Amino acid sequence: QVQVEQSGAEVKKPGSSVNVSCKTSGGPFRNFAINWVRQAPGQGLEWMGGIIPSLGTPDYAQALQDRVTIIADESASTAYMELRSLRSGDTAVYFCAVGCRGYSRFDCWGQGSLVTVSS
Amino acid sequence: QSALTQPRSVSGSPGQSVTISCTGTSGDIGAYNYVSWYQHHPVTAPKLLIYDVNKRPSGVPDRFSGSKSGNTASLTISGLRAEDEADYYCSSYAGDYSYIFASGTKVTVL
Repeated sequence: QVQVEQSGAEVKKPGSSVNVSCKTSGGPFRNFAINWVRQAPGQGLEWMGGIIPSLGTPDYAQALQDRVTIIADESASTAYMELRSLRSGDTAVYFCAVGCRGYSRFDCWGQGSLVTVSS
Repeated sequence: QSALTQPRSVSGSPGQSVTISCTGTSGDIGAYNYVSWYQHHPVTAPKLLIYDVNKRPSGVPDRFSGSKSGNTASLTISGLRAEDEADYYCSSYAGDYSYIFASGTKVTVL
């Protein structure tokens, strides 16, 4: 059974950066499709980007590609998402959504990490 | 890329069926058979209900079914139950390793 564990809640100032981690266990990390999906208050889900560790190259949503970086550390079975130049509109719950049985869907999810951007 | 389009809300009585539509374009839903549906209860992580248009993961009741025609996908919930009250999101692969979600549909069990 694949488990996905994310880092805790963060409060950040506008203009700063946040780094959220996603650790998997119970399966082959390097073959997973690790994606980041966020949900702002009262809004729907938004795909931010993803990476397949064995391939290495991340892909990003066009709207965020200038501010987001996703990396994967195979030795720690952990992926990281950094979002820079934070603004109030980035206040959201950030989910690590993993394609752990295939790349066409997100079937293993982390618990979510609340990021609050406030001065 | 624009978000996929779903109705804001649907409702039904216990035992009834409801269908949620998800409309995209020829660049996402119309181009790929990689449509997924997720159930989201507040304060929990979303749960995969349907993938690849009409496949159910192990453990998902067969009351949930998916289909696609052209640029529109659909999720049908048969035999509606109180615990089905949640937000439902469709998602589609959109090419170049990118995905797109809809804004979500709130299902209310009357």
